[in-house]
Amino acid sequence: DGGITQSPKYLFRKEGQNVTLSCEQNLNHDAMYWYRQDPGQGLRLIYYSQIVNDFQKGDIAEGYSVSREKKESFPLTVTSAQKNPTAFYLCASSMLEGRGRGNEQFFGPGTRLTVL
Amino acid sequence: EDKVVQSPLSLVVHEGDTVTLNCSYEVTNFRSLLWYKQEKKAPTFLFMLTSSGIEKKSGRLSSILDKKELFSILNITATQTGDSAIYLCAVVQGGSEKLVFGKGTKLTVNP
Repeated sequence: DGGITQSPKYLFRKEGQNVTLSCEQNLNHDAMYWYRQDPGQGLRLIYYSQIVNDFQKGDIAEGYSVSREKKESFPLTVTSAQKNPTAFYLCASSMLEGRGRGNEQFFGPGTRLTVL
Repeated sequence: EDKVVQSPLSLVVHEGDTVTLNCSYEVTNFRSLLWYKQEKKAPTFLFMLTSSGIEKKSGRLSSILDKKELFSILNITATQTGDSAIYLCAVVQGGSEKLVFGKGTKLTVNP
């Protein structure tokens, strides 16, 4: 089945620890995105990548890092520098304009991170 | 600053009612507007709108875009309890293909 997978589903972290959230897609999409969702805040863009080995900061990149070594994978690291990391994290992917039926983003099931 | 504003933020209706959800935007380099439904986890895609005045329909849901007045509406007729969800509006920026999301409208449909 084609789709986007995220792991783990739930993650607990102690203050001061770095954690890495996994995102994999087998849709052959060029672009991948990471969002954070807090209650009443909608989705806010953390990082995005349109091509392997390249990525750009979104609106709230501080305290996060990413890599894009393979087209299928876009892991997100939440570092100890992130002041308030408890949130629901969503990964998405899409074709780029002109290479598919549109720029609709498909979402993974999400990872809920809780800092203890 | 780019922004997408949805209203109302929360709405409670009874089964069978018709609802209209609003989305206004001020986004540079507009490419398209997307509506998503989010129940417990991942948002699921509903509609993509790129042209003004063309209604998109899917069953009891429909949506239309007004690029002159910079807004879109999502209509749901004969609501059912399964329509209870958060409805998200997002605008795609050309070039970066980034999505700018609104805060969502939480719809609750009571039996």
